[in-house]
Amino acid sequence: TQLLEQSPQFLSIQEGENLTVYCNSSSVFSSLQWYRQEPGEGPVLLVTVVTGGEVKKLKRLTFQFGDARKDSSLHITAAQPGDTGLYLCAGGPGNQFYFGTGTSLTVIP
Amino acid sequence: DAGVTQSPTHLIKTRGQHVTLRCSPISGHKSVSWYQQVLGQGPQFIFQYYEKEERGRGNFPDRFSARQFPNYSSELNVNALLLGDSALYLCASSLGSYSSSYNEQFFGPGTRLTVL
Repeated sequence: TQLLEQSPQFLSIQEGENLTVYCNSSSVFSSLQWYRQEPGEGPVLLVTVVTGGEVKKLKRLTFQFGDARKDSSLHITAAQPGDTGLYLCAGGPGNQFYFGTGTSLTVIP
Repeated sequence: DAGVTQSPTHLIKTRGQHVTLRCSPISGHKSVSWYQQVLGQGPQFIFQYYEKEERGRGNFPDRFSARQFPNYSSELNVNALLLGDSALYLCASSLGSYSSSYNEQFFGPGTRLTVL
C-alpha cells in the first residue's frame, strides 16, 4: 500500500505544453516535498510546502499544497526538454519518510 | 563542498551472499537515511539514523541492518540476498531528524545492486 499516490504515472508531451502532476494521500502531512530525479542520479529537492493552501513558484513550476494537507500538485508551464525526468512527491509523519509512486515526464522537442 | 558520497557505485552479487553499502554525508549533517528504489518506482524508506541512533525503520525484513559511525558515515548491510533485492540503494543526509520538523534531504548518486 502506497501512502502517497501520484498521477499520472507516465506523461509524454510536446515542448511548450502545460501539465499538472498530482500527489494524493488519505493521511495528513505536516509538509510535503517535491523532487526531480534523472536516470542514474539521486532525487534533487525542488520545493517544500508546509502550510495548507500554500502556493510556491519556481520559475515555470508552480507547487500547491491542499488546504487539508493531504494532497499537492505540481504544474509546469511551457514544458521544455530539460524538464524531462521522474517527479516524486514525499513526506513523513514523524520518524519515517515516504515517497510517492512517481510521475515519469518526457518532453518531446 | 563535497555532496553525499556512496560506494561502491555498482555491485553484482549472487543469491545468499551479503553486501555492505557505504555512505558519507555532507559535512555537518548528522542524519543519514537509506532508501531502496526498484526500477520504475519511487524510493522506499529503509532506515534513518541520527546521532548514531536508529530513529526510523521502514517495512523491510531483518536481513536489512544499518549503523552510523561517530563521523556520521553509515553502512547498510543486507544478508541472505534475494533476487528481489536488486535495486538502486540511495543514501540521503540532512542536518536533523524528521521528528524535528522537516529537514531537507540531500541524496547521493546511489549504489546499483544486482543480485543474480
